[in-house]
Amino acid sequence: IQLTQSPSSLSASVGDRVTITCRASQVISQFLAWYQQKPGKAPNLLIYGASTLRSGVPSRFSGTGFGTEFTLTIASLQPEDFATYYCQHHDTFPPALTFGGGTKVEIK
Amino acid sequence: QVRLQESGPGLVKPSETLSLTCSVSGGSIGNFYWSWVRQSPGKGLEWIGYIYYSGNTNYSPSLKSRVTISVDKSKDQVSLNLTSVTAADTAVYYCARADFDSTGYYEDYWGQGTLVTVSS
Repeated sequence: IQLTQSPSSLSASVGDRVTITCRASQVISQFLAWYQQKPGKAPNLLIYGASTLRSGVPSRFSGTGFGTEFTLTIASLQPEDFATYYCQHHDTFPPALTFGGGTKVEIK
Repeated sequence: QVRLQESGPGLVKPSETLSLTCSVSGGSIGNFYWSWVRQSPGKGLEWIGYIYYSGNTNYSPSLKSRVTISVDKSKDQVSLNLTSVTAADTAVYYCARADFDSTGYYEDYWGQGTLVTVSS
């Protein structure tokens, strides 16, 4: 299964609403996670099960989707949100883990 | 608070074996998956493989012939061996704890990562 993220990068301003899309090459139900990675840091889990917000993650982050198309939305972009975002799916048969190519959110 | 710490040589010669250890503290190694992910400079995330605490492993098809992941429950450590390395294996290597439930698979705790450079 391949995951295609779009756009690969975007420029936005503080306060903007930002939406990132992840498309799967096959139906993956709700089995998708989203991570945020800042430069020089490890990825940080934001959302799993397509829409479940990890405890402690700000509520401005939300995830939707089922099947092959998924979105990560940042309702009002904050300065600390400028980072690269990755989607991830674990396939069961055969077991394999796939990451999307990433979306870099930059300051406009 | 669960903490993961990768350790190992930062420089490995071509054709040799890359060996890293992930030390887990603040939580049990049991009942979780332990994953290795790498990131080449300026690139995206690449899955290497994972091990369940019981010892069952799964590896990326592209690396399977060269990778071994093992777990030492007595030391709360997970190890990665990657043989016959080339410059293409230069990357930051991360270990992560993964859970797998009705919502799917996700990696909720990560180490800080360790840069491994392959060079003579």
